[in-house]
Amino acid sequence: GQQLNQSPQSMFIQEGEDVSMNCTSSSIFNTWLWYKQDPGEGPVLLIALYKAGELTSNGRLTAQFGITRKDSFLNISASIPSDVGIYFCAGQIDSGSRLTFGEGTQLTVNP
Amino acid sequence: DTGVSQDPRHKITKRGQNVTFRCDPISEHNRLYWYRQTLGQGPEFLTYFQNEAQLEKSRLLSDRFSAERPKGSFSTLEIQRTEQGDSAMYLCASSKHRDRGEAFFGQGTRLTVV
Repeated sequence: GQQLNQSPQSMFIQEGEDVSMNCTSSSIFNTWLWYKQDPGEGPVLLIALYKAGELTSNGRLTAQFGITRKDSFLNISASIPSDVGIYFCAGQIDSGSRLTFGEGTQLTVNP
Repeated sequence: DTGVSQDPRHKITKRGQNVTFRCDPISEHNRLYWYRQTLGQGPEFLTYFQNEAQLEKSRLLSDRFSAERPKGSFSTLEIQRTEQGDSAMYLCASSKHRDRGEAFFGQGTRLTVV
């Protein structure tokens, strides 16, 4: 079963607002990944984090790898309608090993 | 397009029938993964290959499920005697570097068992 707790489960925001979501685990992960999934499609990789404390940006997205290696967060600044979708965190114990996914955060952006 | 390719995109089958899905990974990616995703949940790991070797199988992968990657390139996932509970999105992903965990997903195969 799932080992990652992702919150919030859903968010309804206005266009232009900033968004923050996070993921926590009872286990240590050595890699954290964030994906976005649109309906009927596969997850698309947004950001990958490899080092505890690492802060990485990809455009309007910023993600951090928690110091304890048991958590990560994703921020989206100045949201736009195309940000709508489900965001998943995923943790990996060893490089190239299985990914363990959170249950996702459903983001809705009202124009 | 050089991304992960899955075929078919959709499959409707009657309970008890066998189905087979195909995944073509990104060229030169030596690791290939299968995941299953049900509505409202995150993907759940099924199995993965490094080249042609199947390195790990989840307990979710019952005896009715079998995956192969015979030449270390494309992979197939077969489900025998399908059950309604097998209805899900089956996702394939691939990765290249041993020291980096980035896995790239295909568009998935949506299976509906009626």
